[in-house]
Amino acid sequence: GAGVSQTPSNKVTEKGKYVELRCDPISGHTALYWYRQSLGQGPEFLIYFQGTGAADDSGLPNDRFFAVRPEGSVSTLKIQRTERGDSAVYLCASSLGLAARSETQYFGPGTRLLVL
Amino acid sequence: QQQVKQSPQSLIVQKGGISIINCAYENTAFDYFPWYQQFPGKGPALLIAIRPDVSEKKEGRFTISFNKSAKQFSLHIMDSQPGDSATYFCAASYSGGSNYKLTFGKGTLLTVNP
Repeated sequence: GAGVSQTPSNKVTEKGKYVELRCDPISGHTALYWYRQSLGQGPEFLIYFQGTGAADDSGLPNDRFFAVRPEGSVSTLKIQRTERGDSAVYLCASSLGLAARSETQYFGPGTRLLVL
Repeated sequence: QQQVKQSPQSLIVQKGGISIINCAYENTAFDYFPWYQQFPGKGPALLIAIRPDVSEKKEGRFTISFNKSAKQFSLHIMDSQPGDSATYFCAASYSGGSNYKLTFGKGTLLTVNP
């Protein structure tokens, strides 16, 4: 596709359940970012991948959150034992990355997570 | 600690008017300042960006003004149109780190009345 895609677009789950959110970056983009956007707020950084490795996970709120990017393309954000406070829009962004000295990030439409 | 402060929280402008949104940052290491536009149910889309080596950048009806000494930057939307009604976010990042993660302001909801 031409842009960043995220699936599912909406996810409703129950407190305590496990969820996986998927991100397909723009082809050729080596850098991938996850952000979380709460209602009425700006996006907040969660984790950054350069290639397959998580180069910066300083934004992950706790150890219930984990993300992978095994082949350097698609990434999955995993949330264990979901809590109502995890309800938010989870945004993925990709860019050409450090090698290209490109800061421009292209965002996907987000996954709206609601924890009941 | 909020590193990027954005104001106003909401703004109503008449069609054809000028919309002005302001941001202030604290971290002097920031050296890339983009503005994003977000429509309901969509992800943020890059509008325009500036680096601190210039004081102004213009693209069409959108202009960023940058004041390095005051650690402030602003977005001006000239001839505002109803289609510009959206939430606008300023952001900042630091190119000297290991990545270009963005720190966002809280957003400004712009309404342009016809």
